[in-house]
Amino acid sequence: AQKVTQAQTEISVVEKEDVTLDCVYETRDTTYYLFWYKQPPSGELVFLIRRNSFDEQNEISGRYSWNFQKSTSSFNFTITASQVVDSAVYFCALKESGGSYIPTFGRGTSLIVHP
Amino acid sequence: EAQVTQNPRYLITVTGKKLTVTCSQNMNHEYMSWYRQDPGLGLRQIYYSMNVEATDKGDVPEGYKVSRKEKRNFPLILESPSPNQTSLYFCASSLMGLTGTGELFFGEGSRLTVL
Repeated sequence: AQKVTQAQTEISVVEKEDVTLDCVYETRDTTYYLFWYKQPPSGELVFLIRRNSFDEQNEISGRYSWNFQKSTSSFNFTITASQVVDSAVYFCALKESGGSYIPTFGRGTSLIVHP
Repeated sequence: EAQVTQNPRYLITVTGKKLTVTCSQNMNHEYMSWYRQDPGLGLRQIYYSMNVEATDKGDVPEGYKVSRKEKRNFPLILESPSPNQTSLYFCASSLMGLTGTGELFFGEGSRLTVL
């Protein structure tokens, strides 16, 4: 069975600090997909990134970067020089390639960036 | 504009009064699903549909019904709402592709209160 754990319920930082959101997953599949979504205070859910299990390259997009490590079953998300607009709830999700198409979401990490 | 549209966005109703939350997507996606979001519990899947006339239960289907008569629409029906169904509901769709790896596109959410 697939499982996603976001151990950090809430993180509070001051603007310009770097912050890392942790995501640890469990799966028996060798092929799977990992996702991050952002939910700003306005409430909508926005897709940020997808990574498949065969691609362990880290990815950088502006101030956002993702570190995928199969050895530790982690897919962590780092925001460099955080800004107030980064305040949101961030969800990590996992989808196994086999079985029914039910992605599993972590419980989310609420990030609060203070000015 | 590619989007998932849910209606109503906000609804207050009373126990036992049947209601339907509509969901429509204009991206020709095969996969559609409904989630509910509750504090501390993250996103939990209610029902999903892999294509027209193909629906299946998610993690928390009790008290809900769905139908998929057309590809673009996936309404969520609460036949006899109860207070424990007070929640924020999201509809989502995805392009399945060959491996079903597509990211989810979410509607703006429907906040339902059952008194």
